[in-house]
Amino acid sequence: AQTIHQWPVAEIKAVGSPLSLGCTIKGKSSPNLYWYWQATGGTLQQLFYSITVGQVESVVQLNLSASRPKDDQFILSTEKLLLSHSGFYLCAWSTGTGDERLFFGHGTKLSVL
Amino acid sequence: AQKVTQTQTSISVMEKTTVTMDCVYETQDSSYFLFWYKQTASGEIVFLIRQDSYKKENATVGHYSLNFQKPKSSIGLIITATQIEDSAVYFCAMREPGTGGYKVVFGSGTRLLVSP
Repeated sequence: AQTIHQWPVAEIKAVGSPLSLGCTIKGKSSPNLYWYWQATGGTLQQLFYSITVGQVESVVQLNLSASRPKDDQFILSTEKLLLSHSGFYLCAWSTGTGDERLFFGHGTKLSVL
Repeated sequence: AQKVTQTQTSISVMEKTTVTMDCVYETQDSSYFLFWYKQTASGEIVFLIRQDSYKKENATVGHYSLNFQKPKSSIGLIITATQIEDSAVYFCAMREPGTGGYKVVFGSGTRLLVSP
């Protein structure tokens, strides 16, 4: 069975500090990977997606970047956090074989102070 | 551009009744996929049900079913025999494989409260 693990579960960071969030998918080779951001009580905003190692497409610019260093790993980062980065970050995967359901990780709650 | 709209912010129902949540979408493509997801209080998001645009039959999974009205660009979620544990936020989403590639757009969500 496939599993998705996101880390960390929660972060409290200062404005201007760097950030790195990650997720790992086990049990599925070559998944499509996604990063979503959710403000408190808000909708899910897609940030990035990746369909293969080393290739990441940006959907919306929020002064964040993403990388896929391994087939099963997706990293979200920034060198300088803004207050507006606070929220809930969700990693998701899909099979890329026509079944387009998204399977989400448990998310990372980020508070920028 | 893709757009998904859920106008119902919240709905309250009694247990064991049927509830319908509305969703309308905008698309340039003739082929697209529509989804409903559920987000629980813990933040966990799970896939519920999917409708492919080329299929005329409404999808059904367990006590979830869809009311797909393509001419109206509408995809309603129907939950029958609601249970307390159905209380959650429900998101409608759409993917356009042609023009959108791997972009999946979500609506703003509808909060469902099921009371005993």
